[in-house]
Amino acid sequence: QQQVKQSPQSLIVQKGGIPIINCAYENTAFDYFPWYQQFPGKGPALLIAIRPDVSEKKEGRFTISFNKSAKQFSLHIMDSQPGDSATYFCAATGKTSGSRLTFGEGTQLTVNP
Amino acid sequence: DTEVTQTPKHLVMGMTNKKSLKCEQHMGHRAMYWYKQKAKKPPELMFVYSYEKLSINESVPSRFSPECPNSSLLNLHLHALQPEDSALYLCASSRIPLLGEAFFGQGTRLTVV
Repeated sequence: QQQVKQSPQSLIVQKGGIPIINCAYENTAFDYFPWYQQFPGKGPALLIAIRPDVSEKKEGRFTISFNKSAKQFSLHIMDSQPGDSATYFCAATGKTSGSRLTFGEGTQLTVNP
Repeated sequence: DTEVTQTPKHLVMGMTNKKSLKCEQHMGHRAMYWYKQKAKKPPELMFVYSYEKLSINESVPSRFSPECPNSSLLNLHLHALQPEDSALYLCASSRIPLLGEAFFGQGTRLTVV
């Protein structure tokens, strides 16, 4: 019940495209859903996060869509750039998680020039 | 200052060596974490310190020994490691409870020879 399933495993788009990464969770006690961006050799950095009381959150070119009834959330990257090429992890946590972040398996995004 | 600083960035050690990884944050966070990350995988939680006390040990082998000398510092002492322990070791910090952002350091790339 602690899993977060992430897809696709890898994604290649052209510059300007809109990659979409999807995550699904089972634990209804989760109430904070961050997305982390990780470049090779670096630690993950928080990109954007959402709580289940809203259905969408936008920060710059990054948007999270959240469907509470389906227990799914997704990351959209508008006008993608080669500099967005990185690994993206969705994650989830909540009051009953005891300081544990449950990560998805990650999506390796490549944006071609 | 929203940085988590880890030293060293790279470490090569033999299986009989003793070494330590260090982590420092000055954000006033009272939760600090050690994660292990293998290539193309999400971070795996190893230890959590809450208010300088060990609160979570995810069944980590005793050759890894964490220490939290004060609210800003976190160490990971390494002894008699195996080649399969080679990985990126990440430190993170957050407020308590973890209902918001966890900040990650850039990691220590550990190679055991």
